[in-house]
Amino acid sequence: GQQVMQIPQYQHVQEGEDFTTYCNSSTTLSNIQWYKQRPGGHPVFLIQLVKSGEVKKQKRLTFQFGEAKKNSSLHITATQTTDVGTYFCAGNRGGSYIPTFGRGTSLIVHP
Amino acid sequence: DTGVSQDPRHKITKRGQNVTFRCDPISEHNRLYWYRQTLGQGPEFLTYFQNEAQLEKSRLLSDRFSAERPKGSFSTLEIQRTEQGDSAMYLCASSVYMETQYFGPGTRLLVL
Repeated sequence: GQQVMQIPQYQHVQEGEDFTTYCNSSTTLSNIQWYKQRPGGHPVFLIQLVKSGEVKKQKRLTFQFGEAKKNSSLHITATQTTDVGTYFCAGNRGGSYIPTFGRGTSLIVHP
Repeated sequence: DTGVSQDPRHKITKRGQNVTFRCDPISEHNRLYWYRQTLGQGPEFLTYFQNEAQLEKSRLLSDRFSAERPKGSFSTLEIQRTEQGDSAMYLCASSVYMETQYFGPGTRLLVL
C-alpha cells in the first residue's frame, strides 16, 4: 500500500533559525496537503499542492511539490515560538479520496 | 461556531464496554472522515462517508468498529467490547469533495 515517510521526526531549533521537513511517498500523488497540529490540539490545514514542481508561500512558510509528484517539503524561515507544533504531510493517490498521513515532524523552538 | 464538533471530548471506559462518539461536520460538507491518532503518529484513516453512504472502510478496522451517518449530517462511531489497544484520539474531519479537510477537536479515549 501507499506509504508516506516524513523526516526528521523531531527538530530542535533556536528561535530565528530556519526549519525544513521533508515528505516522501512510495507512489505518485495527485495532491499533497500540509497540516499543523499544536500540542494538545487537532490538525489544522495549511495548504494543498496539486501541480508538479509547484511552490507556494505563506509569509515565512514555503511549500514545494516535487517534479515527480512523489515528494514535498515545508520550509520555515526565521522560526518563532508560535511555530511550535507537529507538521504533517498527507498525500492522495490518483482517484483516491483517502489521504495517507506521514508520521509528522515535531518542531521545538527554543527562545 | 461553524466548525466540526465532536462529543464527548474525553471518554474513560473499562475494557469490554461499548462506547459511541458523535461528530457534527460543517453543515454544507458532504464528505465525513473518521481517523484514529496515537501518540507520535499521524492520523490513521478508519472510514469515510459521502452524504449517508459509507464508501470506504480501512482493512485494519476491526469488526468491533462501526460507523453511521444516517441522514448525511452527523455521524457516530461505535466501538464494541473495547480493548486497551483502542486507547487513542479519534478525529473526525469533513470536506466538500476533494477539497480541504477540516478536523474536529477529537475524542480522547482511554480504556482501562
